[in-house]
Amino acid sequence: AQTIHQWPVAEIKAVGSPLSLGCTIKGKSSPNLYWYWQATGGTLQQLFYSITVGQVESVVQLNLSASRPKDDQFILSTEKLLLSHSGFYLCAWRRPGGSDYTFGSGTRLLVI
Amino acid sequence: GDSVTQTEGPVTVSESESLIINCTYSATSIAYPNLFWYVRYPGEGLQLLLKVITAGQKGSSRGFEATYNKETTSFHLQKASVQESDSAVYYCALGDRSGSWQLIFGSGTQLTVMP
Repeated sequence: AQTIHQWPVAEIKAVGSPLSLGCTIKGKSSPNLYWYWQATGGTLQQLFYSITVGQVESVVQLNLSASRPKDDQFILSTEKLLLSHSGFYLCAWRRPGGSDYTFGSGTRLLVI
Repeated sequence: GDSVTQTEGPVTVSESESLIINCTYSATSIAYPNLFWYVRYPGEGLQLLLKVITAGQKGSSRGFEATYNKETTSFHLQKASVQESDSAVYYCALGDRSGSWQLIFGSGTQLTVMP
């Protein structure tokens, strides 16, 4: 069964518009949660991670923010999109103490 | 710094041919690197293909193999005979167990297997 659900699958947004990407983890208690991003032609890089509800650490500054309002939910957002935000966003979870990540199917974002 | 370099794509091979995708890493700030190969099939998310957490060990899955070589800082992915269903993007990654447990990825290698 799919344990991680990301939405939306794809978005085309205008520069300056807001963005909200979501990720829900099913059936896992207190997972570590992550946002990764890959610009077109670039490398996947970690943006944020969260070990517990309400706590999010930023790894790369991209004028994006993340929140974890519930144990099983991780949100990536910005109030004003930039062209440079285009790319592929992946949510992932990891069992605390484990080495394996499980990734969602990703959201493809095009900012025009 | 810490980084991963892998074979630049796209790579095209014929079915039943052998395959090697090179991966080398630099882990200057990671005491005990873990190494991974992830795969993304068309229309799907990133999946773990294989991992090795101890230097000198070999990981294998679905006919693919990779050996964690600390001397050459390499983790090349190999398969003796590829199939059309192996067409995907392959990512080599380096795991840092400290702090954020960040995965550091290579740029990905697009593999196309021709029938």
